Amino acid sequence: GAVVSQHPSWVICKSGTSVKIECRSLDFQATTMFWYRQFPKQSLMLMATSNEGSKATYEQGVEKDKFLINHASLTLSTLTVTSAHPEDSSFYICSGTNRMGNQPQHFGDGTRLSIL
Amino acid sequence: AQKITQTQPGMFVQEKEAVTLDCTYDTSDPSYGLFWYKQPSSGEMIFLIYQGSYDQQNATEGRYSLNFQKARKSANLVISASQLGDSAMYFCAMRRDSSGNQFYFGTGTSLTVIP
Repeated sequence: GAVVSQHPSWVICKSGTSVKIECRSLDFQATTMFWYRQFPKQSLMLMATSNEGSKATYEQGVEKDKFLINHASLTLSTLTVTSAHPEDSSFYICSGTNRMGNQPQHFGDGTRLSIL
Repeated sequence: AQKITQTQPGMFVQEKEAVTLDCTYDTSDPSYGLFWYKQPSSGEMIFLIYQGSYDQQNATEGRYSLNFQKARKSANLVISASQLGDSAMYFCAMRRDSSGNQFYFGTGTSLTVIP
């Protein structure tokens, strides 16, 4: 099946640091990538949708300047958490898809972000 | 408005038994897709099975089958012959053609398989 690589898997850093998370589709072209945030024992919360070459579309309540998303190619999207604070600590997971129809979203393995 | 509803926060099943995880959805779109994902404690989301709104037959993938009742707007996941490795969170998701590629996820069901 289609593979999405996400790294890093774990990040622990100090408050005020900016953190970049990469999401790569390894064997397909992801025309659309999604970024989710997940709190413990809760569902995935969509943060933003990005189409290759376009600006990301953010969900209501998600700060664009806080969570910078870049989708510069069909195989790579990045999420940068700028000036991270402890409340940004969470599990972040990306997914990609290459077209509509019956194709599932293919997920990365997620990134556990801990801000001290 | 809640588009995907999973009413079972937690379920238990005896090893080797079958279990049904419930999922109901809400859409007026004629064309949509329904998906089930498994999320083990390690966090990755594993795609299990897909059902299209126009599919005449219920989807099956190995031990997984989807009980699709369109009139009731339900898409329950049936896991047969449960294994200990099936213990995980299970999420139902819907993609509406009118919303592009965006998925709507349910709140999930935590399944525990008892030896």
